[in-house]
Amino acid sequence: NAGVTQTPKFRVLKTGQSMTLLCAQDMNHEYMYWYRQDPGMGLRLIHYSVGEGTTAKGEVPDGYNVSRLKKQNFLLGLESAAPSQTSVYFCASSYSAGRFTGELFFGEGSRLTVL
Amino acid sequence: AQSVTQLGSHVSVSEGALVLLRCNYSSSVPPYLFWYVQYPNQGLQLLLKYTSAATLVKGINGFEAEFKKSETSFHLTKPSAHMSDAAEYFCAVLNAGNMLTFGGGTRLMVKP
Repeated sequence: NAGVTQTPKFRVLKTGQSMTLLCAQDMNHEYMYWYRQDPGMGLRLIHYSVGEGTTAKGEVPDGYNVSRLKKQNFLLGLESAAPSQTSVYFCASSYSAGRFTGELFFGEGSRLTVL
Repeated sequence: AQSVTQLGSHVSVSEGALVLLRCNYSSSVPPYLFWYVQYPNQGLQLLLKYTSAATLVKGINGFEAEFKKSETSFHLTKPSAHMSDAAEYFCAVLNAGNMLTFGGGTRLMVKP
């Protein structure tokens, strides 16, 4: 009963390095999201996808890229990491518009530190 | 876009005391509102939701929230706090495209 799985769970990067966070869901959800969580700021949407092969920008997309080549996977990439990207990243998934209930299913988070 | 504001980033109560976490929304149309809970080192999970049916909504673990249009509020309450309720709580509102916008969060601490 995996639900939403994020890898890696922890990562330390140096400024300028690149990395990819992987999110996998086994619930056949159409929608997938990447959020970042910072103290006092709640969760802010970075990018989202409404289906395989589609992506869209959220509230704070700068410095990030995403891809959804397979329905079950949603990748978040940092091409050149900056200290401002130190955060906890959450992936989530949900049903599509016709079946959407407002419930997002979250992974356990990936803690990224950029030195 | 609609937004929510959570008053108080930290709330501390004694075990057995009333829990009250505040959320106010800004919306020109009837909103869909949600409360999510995040336990330590975990992702968020849905606690309850308001979708314009009943104004008093009951959720999991004894929590409930009341939608008050006149006050633009959707406060979360629980009559008697338990140690296991210690967590961070997020209010959220549904925006266009089925996107949730979250408040800043309130960390609930429960003292023995």
